Amino acid sequence: QKEVEQDPGPLSVPEGAIVSLNCTYSNSAFQYFMWYRQYSRKGPELLMYTYSSGNKEDGRFTAQVDKSSKYISLFIRDSQPSDSATYLCAMSQSSGGSYIPTFGRGTSLIVHP
Amino acid sequence: EPEVTQTPSHQVTQMGQEVILRCVPISNHLYFYWYRQILGQKVEFLVSFYNNEISEKSEIFDDQFSVERPDGSNFTLKIRSTKLEDSAMYFCASSEAQGFSYNSPLHFGNGTRLTVT
Repeated sequence: QKEVEQDPGPLSVPEGAIVSLNCTYSNSAFQYFMWYRQYSRKGPELLMYTYSSGNKEDGRFTAQVDKSSKYISLFIRDSQPSDSATYLCAMSQSSGGSYIPTFGRGTSLIVHP
Repeated sequence: EPEVTQTPSHQVTQMGQEVILRCVPISNHLYFYWYRQILGQKVEFLVSFYNNEISEKSEIFDDQFSVERPDGSNFTLKIRSTKLEDSAMYFCASSEAQGFSYNSPLHFGNGTRLTVT
C-alpha cells in the first residue's frame, strides 16, 4: 500500500462550485498535513498546513484532518478559474521520525467559467 | 517576497553526460532539499542538506547523484552518467528549520526540466 494516495483527476467543476480534494495515508506517525498548489511549469506553493487532527480555515480554503480514518481533505468554496491547478497533499512526522514531507500524486483541478 | 531560484529552467543532455542543476535558496534558510517529479508522477524526495552535509537521502539518491554548496549562496545537484529515466522536473526547496515544522514550511523553486536524449 502506498504511503499517500491521491486521485489524480482531472476534476472539472463550474465556477462558484465547492471543491473537495482528498488524500488517504497509511503511516499513522504522520502529524503534519500540508496542501500545496502547483500551477503548470511552476514549483509547489504551500497553501495550508495543519498539525494533528481538526479543521483549519483560511479565506475560501478549509483543511480537515481525520487521523482515525487516515483521511485529509481540502475544501475550496466559491471556486474561481484561477484556482485551476494541481493540488498536492503532503505529510510528515514530528519528532522521532523523518521530518521530510511525503507527497501525494496531486489532483488536477479545472474550474471552468 | 524572497524566493528560491533555479537555473537553467530547461536542460537537454545526451545519455551518459553529466549535468549540474543550480539553485539559490532563500538567504536566511538553513536546510536545503532536492525533489524530483517525473511527468505524471508524484513529487519524490531525493536529498536534504544542512551544515554542509547530507542530513537525509532517499533510495533514489544513489552514487549517480551528489550535492554541494560551493559557496554561500548556491546549492547544486550533480547527476553523472545521465540515463533516459532521469528525465524529470527537479525542484530545489529550502526551509528555515528541519523538514517541515509548524512555522517553517518548505519553499520550492520553479524547477529545472531535465530532458535526457
